[in-house]
Amino acid sequence: QSVLTQPPSVSGAPGQRVIISCTGTNSNIGAGSDVHWYQHLPFTAPKLLIYAHTNRPAGVPERFSASTSGTSASLVITGLQSDDETDYYCQSYDTRLSGFVFGTGTRVTVL
Amino acid sequence: QLQESGPGLVKTSETLSLTCNVSGGSIGSYYWTWTRQPPGKGLEYIGYIYKTGSTNFNPSLKSRVSMSIDTSNNQVSLKLTSVTTADTAVYHCARGLGLYNWFDTWGQGMLVTVSS
Repeated sequence: QSVLTQPPSVSGAPGQRVIISCTGTNSNIGAGSDVHWYQHLPFTAPKLLIYAHTNRPAGVPERFSASTSGTSASLVITGLQSDDETDYYCQSYDTRLSGFVFGTGTRVTVL
Repeated sequence: QLQESGPGLVKTSETLSLTCNVSGGSIGSYYWTWTRQPPGKGLEYIGYIYKTGSTNFNPSLKSRVSMSIDTSNNQVSLKLTSVTTADTAVYHCARGLGLYNWFDTWGQGMLVTVSS
């Protein structure tokens, strides 16, 4: 089961900006647990995009950014490219479940 | 580097057993986590195991899941009992840096099909 809620899909034209939301609760994001974001092409290893709310690992373009406020987080992709067309997941830690939680996943479509 | 291995086909009501082989490093102080992705659905957290043997499992799977660590062979194992077709999925292992931290390394994933 997923405890973090994301929109099933978002879309945008090349060059545009898209925003993916990740809504949690007071036992995960709202409790101060860090939020992390992954890019996942099915049947491949998920790729870490953002860690600890806002940080990009080496090699991740500046086009990817994220923020967290209250019980929600957002991933922003600017300058949308065809390569960005895949699935994105947020992840955090839930203090009530004492375990990791993932978002429901969002498919980004480049029009 | 992480590599999942095990049977790609399991019969209903039997036990699914997968191994995650850790190479290029040791088991260390990480939270070794299993996730799965059923066809057409999102990633689902199965559970984690720490080097001490401490575990946490998704409540929806808790009654059927077990995990173990073999530090001498750098392997982490997953067992899921009484499988049904709903357990058909791509199973990934991942290395977690801490409870509040992220997964920095993932396996490619392995498709396990449950069929009668």
